[in-house]
Amino acid sequence: DAGVTQSPTHLIKTRGQQVTLRCSPKSGHDTVSWYQQALGQGPQFIFQYYEEEERQRGNFPDRFSGHQFPNYSSELDVNALLLGDSALYLCASSFTGAAYEQYFGPGTRLTVT
Amino acid sequence: SQKIEQNSEALNIQEGKTATLTCNYTNYSPAYLQWYRQDPGRGPVFLLLIRENEKEKRKERLKVTFDTTLKQSLFHITASQPADSATYLCALSSSASKIIFGSGTRLSIRP
Repeated sequence: DAGVTQSPTHLIKTRGQQVTLRCSPKSGHDTVSWYQQALGQGPQFIFQYYEEEERQRGNFPDRFSGHQFPNYSSELDVNALLLGDSALYLCASSFTGAAYEQYFGPGTRLTVT
Repeated sequence: SQKIEQNSEALNIQEGKTATLTCNYTNYSPAYLQWYRQDPGRGPVFLLLIRENEKEKRKERLKVTFDTTLKQSLFHITASQPADSATYLCALSSSASKIIFGSGTRLSIRP
C-alpha cells in the first residue's frame, strides 16, 4: 500500500502565477482534505472533497479551489499567488466510515518569490 | 473564535520519564479530539482519537485524557525514548469534515 502520495515535492513560483498540486489517496479511501501549514504552525483546513464535491471549506479565499476525480484523487489549485501562500500543503485521505482518522501525505513545499 | 492552545512550544525531558503534553481549547464543543505526531519535513501521523463521552484512551505507551468541563486534553508518553522526539499536534472536530489543529508542541527526549 503506497499510502497517500503528493506531487510535486517542492515547487517554486513567482507572485501572481497559478499552481496545481496533486494528491492520490490511500487505497480504499474516498475522502480527501487539503491543509496549509506555515512554518511553526499547525495545519489549517482548506477544504474537503467527497464524491467529487466540496463538502466543507475553511477560511480561505476563492483563489483556492479544488477538484476530486472519479478515482478519488484530487487537485488543489491556487490562483494569483501571493508571498503569503508560501507553505507546506498537505493532503489527507480518509474513509467515510472512519472519517476522523485521516492519513496525511508528505506534503508539497510551495515557495512564492 | 475557536482557539486551541498547546502548553508550550517545546518540552525537553529525560529518557525513561513520562512526557505530558497539554491541549486547551475555547469557544468550541468538539465531538472528537485527536493527537498526531509530525516529524520534520513530513506529514502528521494519526496516533489516537478520543470521543467527547470518553474520559481516557490508551494505546501501548500512549494515554490520552479528555475533560470537556475543563476543555482540556492531556497526552502522556510513558517510558519515553529518544525516538519519541517529534512535534505533537492536538486536533479537534465536531464533524467529519473540518478538523482544527493546534500549533503543536516540540518534544525532545534526551538520552
